[in-house]
Amino acid sequence: GAVVSQHPSRVICKSGTSVKIECRSLDFQATTMFWYRQFPKQSLMLMATSNEGSKATYEQGVEKDKFLINHASLTLSTLTVTSAHPEDSSFYICSALSALAGGYEQYFGPGTRLTVT
Amino acid sequence: AQSVTQPDIHITVSEGASLELRCNYSYGATPYLFWYVQSPGQGLQLLLKYFSGDTLVQGIKGFEAEFKRSQSSFNLRKPSVHWSDAAEYFCAVGGYNFNKFYFGSGTKLNVKP
Repeated sequence: GAVVSQHPSRVICKSGTSVKIECRSLDFQATTMFWYRQFPKQSLMLMATSNEGSKATYEQGVEKDKFLINHASLTLSTLTVTSAHPEDSSFYICSALSALAGGYEQYFGPGTRLTVT
Repeated sequence: AQSVTQPDIHITVSEGASLELRCNYSYGATPYLFWYVQSPGQGLQLLLKYFSGDTLVQGIKGFEAEFKRSQSSFNLRKPSVHWSDAAEYFCAVGGYNFNKFYFGSGTKLNVKP
């Protein structure tokens, strides 16, 4: 099956710094990728939809200036958490959409654990 | 409004027993329905999906799910649970236009030996 990678898997940063997380589709092209945030023992919350070559679409309540998303190629989307604060500590998961006959499938990356100190 | 409800936060079953995880959805258009499993420290793995056709869907690892439009449900079942099935299970709904996925809050499955 299709594989999506995320890098890094874990990152610890100091408050006020920025962190970039990469999401790659390894063996297929994805015009659409999604970024989710998962709090401990909770479900995935969709943050934004990333479309190759265009601006990301952010969900209500997600600060677009804080969570910068770039989808520069058909296999790479990046999420940059700018001026990170402890409340941004979370598990960030990306997914890539692959079209299928009659529908589609979403392939998930393994996630990135961000800890802001 | 679109939403997914998984009424059971935790479920414990004995190994070898049958399992049913409930999922109800609210969606304004024709739904695409999914079940995912997440093991500790790992990403989400797709168990099965429903787009159209036969309302009983077979998935990996012996799981199946049945789409019931009249009840807005997509319950996941397995006839005999294995200890390795202990994980968190998420139901999700999406639309035909490839955006706006909604996840349920998840059901954590514990398996007793």
